[in-house]
Amino acid sequence: NAGVMQNPRHLVRRRGQEARLRCSPMKGHSHVYWYRQLPEEGLKFMVYLQKENIIDESGMPKERFSAEFPKEGPSILRIQQVVRGDSAAYFCASSPRANSPLHFGNGTRLTVT
Amino acid sequence: RKEVEQDPGPFNVPEGATVAFNCTYSNSASQSFFWYRQDCRKEPKLLMSVYSSGNEDGRFTAQLNRASQYISLLIRDSKLSDSATYLCVVIPLEGSGYSTLTFGKGTMLLVSP
Repeated sequence: NAGVMQNPRHLVRRRGQEARLRCSPMKGHSHVYWYRQLPEEGLKFMVYLQKENIIDESGMPKERFSAEFPKEGPSILRIQQVVRGDSAAYFCASSPRANSPLHFGNGTRLTVT
Repeated sequence: RKEVEQDPGPFNVPEGATVAFNCTYSNSASQSFFWYRQDCRKEPKLLMSVYSSGNEDGRFTAQLNRASQYISLLIRDSKLSDSATYLCVVIPLEGSGYSTLTFGKGTMLLVSP
């Protein structure tokens, strides 16, 4: 039973480009969460999705950031026109039910040059 | 007051020592509590749940004090491999108006020979 799969592990983008981060939840998990972690900082909640629905996006910047979790395929976190401040580790987590413990993927480390 | 607060540490202890971390939370409607462990530059991993009656898992003991709104983690007979950052996680009641799982910034533990 594979865990939460995130790809790519590392992503380098130049300022102004787009970054797409993918997350496949654990089998049987329909709840997906995205967190961002800056160096030496804690995990910051971004968005919580269920299949085809955004449940809570209160932690996600209103501009340039979007997330989806389609009926088929992985969840995607999309960052348009990246800036240096977007450089961080982005962790995806999944759970079988709302408010149950999360299982995390290995993360995607985004570097904006 | 921040939703979840932890002493950032670092806690420097010798092997074999007993160490305890506390975590305070502000939302009295919080429902579930967990401790996660995060190794440097890796994803957080679930360490243990925290139950109202207190619970133990080997060298680890977790306790919850709802009246004072804090949870604690006690590690006995510390090992070098316990060196990590320990994150407390608070899950709100659904509909309480709070976003989903809130992570503390973590407490760093360094166990030395």
